[in-house]
Amino acid sequence: KAGVTQTPRYLIKTRGQQVTLSCSPISGHRSVSWYQQTPGQGLQFLFEYFSETQRNKGNFPGRFSGRQFSNSRSEMNVSTLELGDSALYLCASSLGHGMEKLFFGSGTQLSVL
Amino acid sequence: EDQVTQSPEALRLQEGESSSLNCSYTVSGLRGLFWYRQDPGKGPEFLFTLYSAGEEKEKERLKATLTKKESFLHITAPKPEDSATYLCAVIPNYGGATNKLIFGTGTLLAVQP
Repeated sequence: KAGVTQTPRYLIKTRGQQVTLSCSPISGHRSVSWYQQTPGQGLQFLFEYFSETQRNKGNFPGRFSGRQFSNSRSEMNVSTLELGDSALYLCASSLGHGMEKLFFGSGTQLSVL
Repeated sequence: EDQVTQSPEALRLQEGESSSLNCSYTVSGLRGLFWYRQDPGKGPEFLFTLYSAGEEKEKERLKATLTKKESFLHITAPKPEDSATYLCAVIPNYGGATNKLIFGTGTLLAVQP
């Protein structure tokens, strides 16, 4: 059974650009969550989706957005990139929504220059 | 404010030398506490979920326990392959279904042969 797939694995962008990250959950999983991981702050929750609806959002500026498609695949977008957006972005999927065991992908390492 | 604190930040053990990692939490009602393991270059991997004080769970050389204010991850006779970052996370009682986790910053464990 394939795990959570995130693409691309690495990304280099410059300040002011925008970026789209992709996440394919485990087959049959309907919930997708996104986290930002940095050495100083650790993992911080961005948002979660279930059945194409955003269920929760973390304390990030509006430049961070996401969506989920009918096949449960998800994308997140960051507009007007800042240096501080450099981080590992992790996607996690689960069967349902609520106290579920999360399965994480290997992440997308974003570097903003 | 909901908060998770892990200690120590880093721990170096000799193979076979047992020890414990600590996770203390301050939340407005605990719905569940999770332990994850993260290897370099990979996303976190689920280990345990604990729901109520007094609960214990075991898997191979790992045992997780929970009190009303903290959780411990006991590692018995560790092997070099146990080397990883161990992450603790909680879901507070938000009043609705969610997979939104609040993570600690982790304990980096190194087990030397």
